[in-house]
Amino acid sequence: GQQLNQSPQSMFIQEGEDVSMNCTSSSIFNTWLWYKQDPGEGPVLLIALYKAGELTSNGRLTAQFGITRKDSFLNISASIPSDVGIYFCAGQPLEGSGNTPLVFGKGTRLSVIA
Amino acid sequence: DTGVSQDPRHKITKRGQNVTFRCDPISEHNRLYWYRQTLGQGPEFLTYFQNEAQLEKSRLLSDRFSAERPKGSFSTLEIQRTEQGDSAMYLCASSLRASGTGKVYGYTFGSGTRLTVV
Repeated sequence: GQQLNQSPQSMFIQEGEDVSMNCTSSSIFNTWLWYKQDPGEGPVLLIALYKAGELTSNGRLTAQFGITRKDSFLNISASIPSDVGIYFCAGQPLEGSGNTPLVFGKGTRLSVIA
Repeated sequence: DTGVSQDPRHKITKRGQNVTFRCDPISEHNRLYWYRQTLGQGPEFLTYFQNEAQLEKSRLLSDRFSAERPKGSFSTLEIQRTEQGDSAMYLCASSLRASGTGKVYGYTFGSGTRLTVV
């Protein structure tokens, strides 16, 4: 089945620093989504991307749909303690014309040191 | 609409017992998905419905698992003869598939049901 490679697996950063994480696939995707998950909760949608090259912001978060359609990036600027959590990329493979369910990466665990 | 609701939030059961979980999706959404998440992993797809039709089941969904969405609204996921390996967070999500473009929007997850099989 489809697999997404998400990196890094974990990050420890100082409050105020910027964060970058990415996700790659071996096949073409037509949708990329980024989620944040807090302990004991379901993933919460942060940003959705629907077109190759698209760059979308949500507050301090910016995500890009890679031009090759096989990758996506998420940046968090000026991190704060509440950014702590696990960030997941998810993508919908191009095959199946919208009938293929989302595939998830294994997550990036972010820790922010005050 | 308050988003996707799942019930119960936590379930502890003895091995061999049957359990049933419920999901109430966002009312305007025509698609409903079940995912399973184990510690340190991303959610893994189990099955999904478009309205009341179950369109796809993953190989993770053994014969002991069954899902229904009888009226195209809420859905139930039943696990029969639970095993310790079934312990996981079971997540439900809903989305809207646009009939024209076929694109899927608004993949929204519930808070999940954490199952512990002892």
